Amino acid sequence: AQSVTQLGSHVSVSEGALVLLRCNYSSSVPPYLFWYVQYPNQGLQLLLKYTSAATLVKGINGFEAEFKKSETSFHLTKPSAHMSDAAEYFCAVNTGNQFYFGTGTSLTVIP
Amino acid sequence: DAGVTQSPTHLIKTRGQQVTLRCSPISGHKSVSWYQQVLGQGPQFIFQYYEKEERGRGNFPDRFSARQFPNYSSELNVNALLLGDSALYLCASSSRQGLNQPQHFGDGTRLSIL
Repeated sequence: AQSVTQLGSHVSVSEGALVLLRCNYSSSVPPYLFWYVQYPNQGLQLLLKYTSAATLVKGINGFEAEFKKSETSFHLTKPSAHMSDAAEYFCAVNTGNQFYFGTGTSLTVIP
Repeated sequence: DAGVTQSPTHLIKTRGQQVTLRCSPISGHKSVSWYQQVLGQGPQFIFQYYEKEERGRGNFPDRFSARQFPNYSSELNVNALLLGDSALYLCASSSRQGLNQPQHFGDGTRLSIL
């Protein structure tokens, strides 16, 4: 079975500090991996997508993620947190005709 | 251009009733997917439709059904509602068939079951 695990349901960082949100996947075949962001009372917005073209994927709003096959990880990072980054972040995986989201990580940015 | 639109935005039903949720994809998008997001959890995949045919189905009971119309809009139907069906129902559209395509989400329909 395919799935994603997000370590840490809540992460707090100071404004300007590094953001690191963790995601590990389990898949028997090379997956398509995604990070989505959800602001309160809204739908999800795609941050970035891994498609095997490059292990380091750059997304919107300064976010990037690195695919590490040996660690089955796809962690999301941003060098400097901004107040507007406060939101819920979801890692997701697609294999075949199925799509799985992780349980989400709530990011709080402290001024 | 308009994004993915869902209606209604909020809905209150009682146990045992039936509900229909509607979704209009982004113009030109032929794929529509449905997700259930229970409070505090990640979305769970229910269905994907492409060119009016079901292309993917998640682990949901037969009480859940959907269809896609010739204009690519979609409806999600849930019969015999249970308290556990209370959730935010999200619709997403994409331009191509596969779920590996970037999906554009609507703001969802909040369904409350009393």
